[in-house]
Amino acid sequence: KNQVEQSPQSLIILEGKNCTLQCNYTVSPFSNLRWYKQDTGRGPVSLTIMTFSENTKSNGRYTATLDADTKQSSLHITASQLSDSASYICVVSARPNTNAGKSTFGDGTTLTVKP
Amino acid sequence: DGGITQSPKYLFRKEGQNVTLSCEQNLNHDAMYWYRQDPGQGLRLIYYSQIVNDFQKGDIAEGYSVSREKKESFPLTVTSAQKNPTAFYLCASSESGGAYEQFFGPGTRLTVL
Repeated sequence: KNQVEQSPQSLIILEGKNCTLQCNYTVSPFSNLRWYKQDTGRGPVSLTIMTFSENTKSNGRYTATLDADTKQSSLHITASQLSDSASYICVVSARPNTNAGKSTFGDGTTLTVKP
Repeated sequence: DGGITQSPKYLFRKEGQNVTLSCEQNLNHDAMYWYRQDPGQGLRLIYYSQIVNDFQKGDIAEGYSVSREKKESFPLTVTSAQKNPTAFYLCASSESGGAYEQFFGPGTRLTVL
């Protein structure tokens, strides 16, 4: 069964500090891994998308890494800001011709940045 | 502006009533999705459609129904058969199947009184 597990479930950090969120998956055959940011009461917004051949991708202060061998990904947030407070969701998809139309979502990590 | 719109943002329903949530996209995407999110939990797939006039059940389809008569529209009906409908509902679309990046709407919060 395809699964995506995220850790920690929640995290509190001080403004300006860095943090790293983890995502482990068992989705096969792997197509891509995406990280989304979801503000409270809003729809998720895409941060990064990585395919099998990519092991790192950045979007401003957000850097995602992918280890396809160990089936692990991380999202590193640098110099956190109060606006980074949100839920971060890891989503893993199988290749298009298998399990079509369905991606596997993690439950998310809730990040709180305090002043 | 290209994107996905959902309406209404907030919806209240009495027990026993059916209610329809709207989802429209102008991204020319083939695939559309409906998800349910409960407080502190992840997204769960209700229904998805990869092409007009075709749709498939997701993981929690019971008590819900959809239609896909037009490429840009994918309305979701929450029926009285759904035992616990109070939740946050998110619509998404993508170029094709689920392996492509999904773009989400702003969501509809449904409350059953």
